[in-house]
Amino acid sequence: ETGVTQTPRHLVMGMTNKKSLKCEQHLGHNAMYWYKQSAKKPLELMFVYSLEERVENNSVPSRFSPECPNSSHLFLHLHTLQPEDSALYLCASSQGVRADYGYTFGSGTRLTVV
Amino acid sequence: GENVEQHPSTLSVQEGDSAVIKCTYSDSASNYFPWYKQELGKRPQLIIDIRSNVGEKKDQRIAVTLNKTAKHFSLHITETQPEDSAVYFCAASKQQGGKLIFGQGTELSVKP
Repeated sequence: ETGVTQTPRHLVMGMTNKKSLKCEQHLGHNAMYWYKQSAKKPLELMFVYSLEERVENNSVPSRFSPECPNSSHLFLHLHTLQPEDSALYLCASSQGVRADYGYTFGSGTRLTVV
Repeated sequence: GENVEQHPSTLSVQEGDSAVIKCTYSDSASNYFPWYKQELGKRPQLIIDIRSNVGEKKDQRIAVTLNKTAKHFSLHITETQPEDSAVYFCAASKQQGGKLIFGQGTELSVKP
């Protein structure tokens, strides 16, 4: 186990559904991230949380709503998604909001919007 | 903002040959450059990184070089093996407040 756990591993949802992705880290890190990975595209940073506060929102549509109740858990709430939102959603954590502290990624949630 | 370009998008080599993947970045203030390997269906994992005060770093069969003047950095894999087959991502960031900006990825295939 990597120390960063994401659930579910796979999710199929309709455009009118509401679902949530969960990320949990057991590494004692205090920064957490959501990335979107689409085919043939670079990893896209969505949100950054440091000490449970959102410090970055990269122009992500409001149909994606993050939540960080504590430094170990990060959620991504989804509602009224579009088919183009289908992708692999990766969570990562680090000791601080500095890339050179090293990111640990989870295994991702493969999301399909139908 | 930072932009990272990575080439090639796909690379096929024979086992034992070398593989080279190149990245360029746009923000001259970037000073940290990691490389991640993502095997099929698995999470990205850091394999090597380099900071701007160093021109080259090596770890067994993997090496990374950095040219700050030209704003490009490269990953070199020697004596490739089938288990090196994966997608490789370069990234760049500023160490302070440094979110990672990733390149598009290179799918490396090592043929036995």
